[in-house]
Amino acid sequence: GAGVSQSPRYKVAKRGQDVALRCDPISGHVSLFWYQQALGQGPEFLTYFQNEAQLDKSGLPSDRFFAERPEGSVSTLKIQRTQQEDSAVYLCASTQGGTVSYEQYFGPGTRLTVT
Amino acid sequence: QKEVEQNSGPLSVPEGAIASLNCTYSDRGSQSFFWYRQYSGKSPELIMSIYSNGDKEDGRFTAQLNKASQYVSLLIRDSQPSDSATYLCAFFSNTGNQFYFGTGTSLTVIP
Repeated sequence: GAGVSQSPRYKVAKRGQDVALRCDPISGHVSLFWYQQALGQGPEFLTYFQNEAQLDKSGLPSDRFFAERPEGSVSTLKIQRTQQEDSAVYLCASTQGGTVSYEQYFGPGTRLTVT
Repeated sequence: QKEVEQNSGPLSVPEGAIASLNCTYSDRGSQSFFWYRQYSGKSPELIMSIYSNGDKEDGRFTAQLNKASQYVSLLIRDSQPSDSATYLCAFFSNTGNQFYFGTGTSLTVIP
């Protein structure tokens, strides 16, 4: 693929519902990152994968947030029992190398609105 | 103390002028620094990466890094209305093992 893709692009959930957000990184990219971006703010780190291994999940705001990348390619960010404060744009980014000092390329994001 | 500090702006410059964007960071051990451009409603787009002290030029963009002062800047020469966007500074923290982003500086180039 030409770039990072994310789906869905927009998601409206009622409070308490579970949601799953998908990220397809650039083919061959080893590292994958998830970010949360609130309006007027910069992206906030959530979690990081190198291949299928989740090496850092320190940014996940609560145990309602869960991410996986079982085959080292596509990743899913799951949010259980959504709350209004979860409303944000969720960005996925991938990098070519295994070391995190490489440039990140972002997907278009998923805008989540919890009502 | 935030890990990355940027002036949120808005910064307005006339078309053809030089736009100067500044950023300071907290982690003295950081080695990798990045500038992203983000148009309203879009995702961040990588403009420049810089790893060594000094200047790095790419077309109309020049990134400047001063590790001693923990300062990184972006100069945009011959600014165009299409440069109007929010510019995000980011760095990778070796101690925190993650990327940190600033809140962004909003730039408007006036035709």
